This record gives sequence, structure tokens and C-alpha cells, in this order.
Amino acid sequence: EVQLVESGGGLVQPGGSLRLSCAASGFTFSSYSMNWVRQAPGKGLEWLSYISSSSSSMYYADSVRGRFTISRDNAKNSLYLQMNSLRAEDTAVYYCAREGSASYSHYWGQGTLVTVSS
Amino acid sequence: DIVMTQSPDSLAVSLGERATINCKSSQSVLSRSNNKNYLAWYQQKPGQPPKLLIYWASARESGVPDRFSGSGSGTDFTLTISSLQAEDVAVYYCQQYYSTLYSFGQGTKLEIK
Repeated sequence: EVQLVESGGGLVQPGGSLRLSCAASGFTFSSYSMNWVRQAPGKGLEWLSYISSSSSSMYYADSVRGRFTISRDNAKNSLYLQMNSLRAEDTAVYYCAREGSASYSHYWGQGTLVTVSS
Repeated sequence: DIVMTQSPDSLAVSLGERATINCKSSQSVLSRSNNKNYLAWYQQKPGQPPKLLIYWASARESGVPDRFSGSGSGTDFTLTISSLQAEDVAVYYCQQYYSTLYSFGQGTKLEIK
């Protein structure tokens, strides 16, 4: 069974940093590209970032480019999102998602809540 | 960037009736190389992560009831629920995965009339 478990969320002050993790199991992690998607309270889904299976390609939404960095450790079956210079508008539930046969998100984690507030 | 626009924003349908949600992309998501539309639909119920329903615009994910169907090509797409059930109350999102900035529509909230 595919499982994705996010962690690392919490309360952080504006301008601060946070590192999210996503632990993957139930599939060959190194064979799949991964994405981060977020959802602000009461709002819709926002795609944030993509990383290919070998980390050779990474893409970012304009809203986070230059502040967030996606990475992965295939040996640890883990995906990461380093978030710097956090703003109030970054407050959201952050989901990691595994791609399917193409770049749609086939499996999703339960999400981790990030709150940016003073 | 490709902008995805869904209509309507909310929809109320009687049980057993048809529900139709539309999704329009600002540019074509049809690949000429493989003749596939890079368009997916997701269902999200309160307090849950999104769930994949449809990919390649019309391919139903395993385990998804056959009352859900996707259609369309190029820039205009439709998600149809042929006979609405109570458990289908949710927010539905389309997403393009044609360009590397995988944008979502704003969502359509589906309720029971």
C-alpha cells in the first residue's frame, strides 16, 4: 500500500524558515517524480513544486520560486521542502503527492499544517 | 503559464440527477506527439486530501465508480457525474500537467439540492 506521511509543519514567525518532510513507503520511491501542493484555509489547491525521480529536474510555482527548495533522498525514501522567508500567505496545509504514469498526482499524503504568524 | 478556469464555482444537484462541471485551459493541453490531453480531475471531501478521479482527461482511476466520466479535448473539458449520490458531495478540481507549472482550477463545490 502506498503511504505518504508529511511532517515538520507548525507555527513559525514571518521571515522564518521551516523544513517539511514526506516519508514514502509501499512503492519504489526512486522510480517516481514527486510534487508539493498546498491549500490555504478555505481555499483551493495550489501546485508548488516538482522534482524528478533522480533529482535532475525541479520546477517551482512563481509564488515560491527563490524562497522554497525541493529535494529528495532516495536512500531514505524521503521528500523535502525547505521553506525560507515565510510570509503570512504561506499559511496552508502542505501535501506531498506521488505522480502516476504521467505528471498527475496519483497518491497524496494527509498533509501538514504550516502557520506563519507573529 | 496555463490558467485553468472552472465553472460553475458551486453547483447544487438533486440526488440521482446529472452533475456537470466544466474546466477551461488558457491554452491547449493536447499533446500532438501522443494525442493525449494532459488533464486530471480530483475530488476533495472536507478534512481529506484530494483523490484522483480521472487522468488523460477521460481515463477513470481504478476503483472510481463508473458514474464519474471525463470528456473534452484541447482547451475545454467536462467532468460528469451521471447520477449523483450523497457521497459525491465534495469540491472538484481540474489540473493540467501539460506544462511544467502544473496549475489547478479554482475548484467547484458540489452540493445536494
